[in-house]
Amino acid sequence: DAKTTQPPSMDCAEGRAANLPCNHSTISGNEYVYWYRQIHSQGPQYIIHGLKNNETNEMASLIITEDRKSSTLILPHATLRDTAVYYCIVRAPDTGGFKTIFGAGTRLFVKA
Amino acid sequence: NAGVTQTPKFRILKIGQSMTLQCTQDMNHNYMYWYRQDPGMGLKLIYYSVGAGITDKGEVPNGYNVSRSTTEDFPLRLELAAPSQTSVYFCASTTSGAGRDEQFFGPGTRLTVL
Repeated sequence: DAKTTQPPSMDCAEGRAANLPCNHSTISGNEYVYWYRQIHSQGPQYIIHGLKNNETNEMASLIITEDRKSSTLILPHATLRDTAVYYCIVRAPDTGGFKTIFGAGTRLFVKA
Repeated sequence: NAGVTQTPKFRILKIGQSMTLQCTQDMNHNYMYWYRQDPGMGLKLIYYSVGAGITDKGEVPNGYNVSRSTTEDFPLRLELAAPSQTSVYFCASTTSGAGRDEQFFGPGTRLTVL
């Protein structure tokens, strides 16, 4: 699975959009980009995933560049409860996830 | 559905003691996993299973054993606990890989070895 690079931490004002970047320059053609988050002391929670096209769900939007070498997770209106560590993961979907590598992620601080 | 449940939530062990961390999922998922997370770090895969009766090692399997006699249960056994095994342990499950393939995580077991 391709390696990802994320900033160690970011701040965001409550009510503003939080834009979390991820670099994955060695991504392969069949690898998806997944985002999870981990709120303090809890298990990681799935947010969204995508292959080529931009994706949106009730939690967030995922913007993937045309060359697929980077992506951005967007939380449109961040709340204090969005303070968490956000993990960007790249892997092929048919591996069952057993090679999912959770790096250090980005620690997002949402401030009032 | 309860999702993925783990017991106990907390445990303190003495060096050399043994214990089993329990994990159960009620989503009929084939794939199950055990991760450990040390303070300030990401998750490391200990063992995984692709179905009942099938298990395999992850990145950090030393000092642990698993079994998968049913689809629902995937217990993690610690033999001869050591301080290096102080960590938070997460169990997770997922479908066989088709479709959305997200992983569902349990609430974790916080283990301290003294």
